Amino acid sequence: GENVEQHPSTLSVQEGDSAVIKCTYSDSASNYFPWYKQELGKRPQLIIDIRSNVGEKKDQRIAVTLNKTAKHFSLHITETQPEDSAVYFCAAPNDYKLSFGAGTTVTVRA
Amino acid sequence: DVKVTQSSRYLVKRTGEKVFLECVQDMDHENMFWYRQDPGLGLRLIYFSYDVKMKEKGDIPEGYSVSREKKERFSLILESASTNQTSMYLCASSPLAGETDTQYFGPGTRLTVL
Repeated sequence: GENVEQHPSTLSVQEGDSAVIKCTYSDSASNYFPWYKQELGKRPQLIIDIRSNVGEKKDQRIAVTLNKTAKHFSLHITETQPEDSAVYFCAAPNDYKLSFGAGTTVTVRA
Repeated sequence: DVKVTQSSRYLVKRTGEKVFLECVQDMDHENMFWYRQDPGLGLRLIYFSYDVKMKEKGDIPEGYSVSREKKERFSLILESASTNQTSMYLCASSPLAGETDTQYFGPGTRLTVL
């Protein structure tokens, strides 16, 4: 099955700075890579995803990049704001299920 | 807008009790999932179902069973609760069987086993 590793486990950034979270996966056939955000006390929600036919996807201040050769994908958050403080999970396909990374706790300091 | 609901937000049970956690989705999704969330371990799949009465084991099925009698409802059963099953339980659903797609999560049930 798919093995997803996520780094770092915690990330503290100054408001306005950028945050980057990286995930690696093991199955070279994987073709769908979502990112979920879980605010404190709330459910995980999809914030962005990328399929293997593109190398980058942007949505306002967030972007995801994919390097299929190296089997890693990254979440980039620019101009961080307090509301970006949350736990972020990456995932990769495992048959038609998802294997999730262990999560990154992002804290945005005012 | 997809809505996934879970029967309880908080639940306290005693060791050895039989526990039922229920999940309902209203978008006619074929796939439903039960995860367990523990700090530092991410979301670990317990069981999933791709059709009524169909179920498959996930990564950590021991001590759990599931039931899917109707398409919209997926139940997680702890036959004899133990303290190491104290955790946050999340249900999720996704549209099509056999396809990897966005999963929509419920609000979670925080279960404490004393």
